[in-house]
Amino acid sequence: EDKVVQSPLSLVVHEGDTVTLNCSYEVTNFRSLLWYKQEKKAPTFLFMLTSSGIEKKSGRLSSILDKKELFSILNITATQTGDSAIYLCAADTGANSKLTFGKGITLSVRP
Amino acid sequence: ETGVTQSPTHLIKTRGQQVTLRCSSQSGHNTVSWYQQALGQGPQFIFQYYREEENGRGNFPPRFSGLQFPNYSSELNVNALELDDSALYLCASSRTSAETQYFGPGTRLLVL
Repeated sequence: EDKVVQSPLSLVVHEGDTVTLNCSYEVTNFRSLLWYKQEKKAPTFLFMLTSSGIEKKSGRLSSILDKKELFSILNITATQTGDSAIYLCAADTGANSKLTFGKGITLSVRP
Repeated sequence: ETGVTQSPTHLIKTRGQQVTLRCSSQSGHNTVSWYQQALGQGPQFIFQYYREEENGRGNFPPRFSGLQFPNYSSELNVNALELDDSALYLCASSRTSAETQYFGPGTRLLVL
């Protein structure tokens, strides 16, 4: 059965801190790894990673994939209170393009 | 804003009833996927529709069914509602079945 595990499940940091969110996966027909940010309802797309070792960046957020060790990390530098959200990672298994999600990581950034 | 819309935003039903949730995909997208997100969990794949045909299904019973229309909007129908069906139902659209999925705001369903 396809599985995606995220850690830690929650963390609390102060504004300005740097955080690293972890995602490991065990799936068949792996095609890509996606990160989403969920604040109230709709998960909003952050990154899609398909190749190992190539970092993707968007402002203070960056992410990288290791296809040999089957994990990905999402880094957020100089955190702000607006970064408080649930961060979801999902494996696209290609077969029927279904996304298998982890439980999510709840990040709280305190002023 | 992704351009994916869902209705209604909230819904309360009782056990045994039936419900229909609606999703309008982003312009230019021909694929819609539906997910169920229980409290404290990640979204779980229900099924996907591509060009009006079901294109894959997760571990959900047959009382979860769907449709996609020629304009690529979609419906999720759930019959014989159970208490455990209470969840946030998300739809996501993508340009094709192989491309990034963009989510709508969801419908929160409460079954009493």
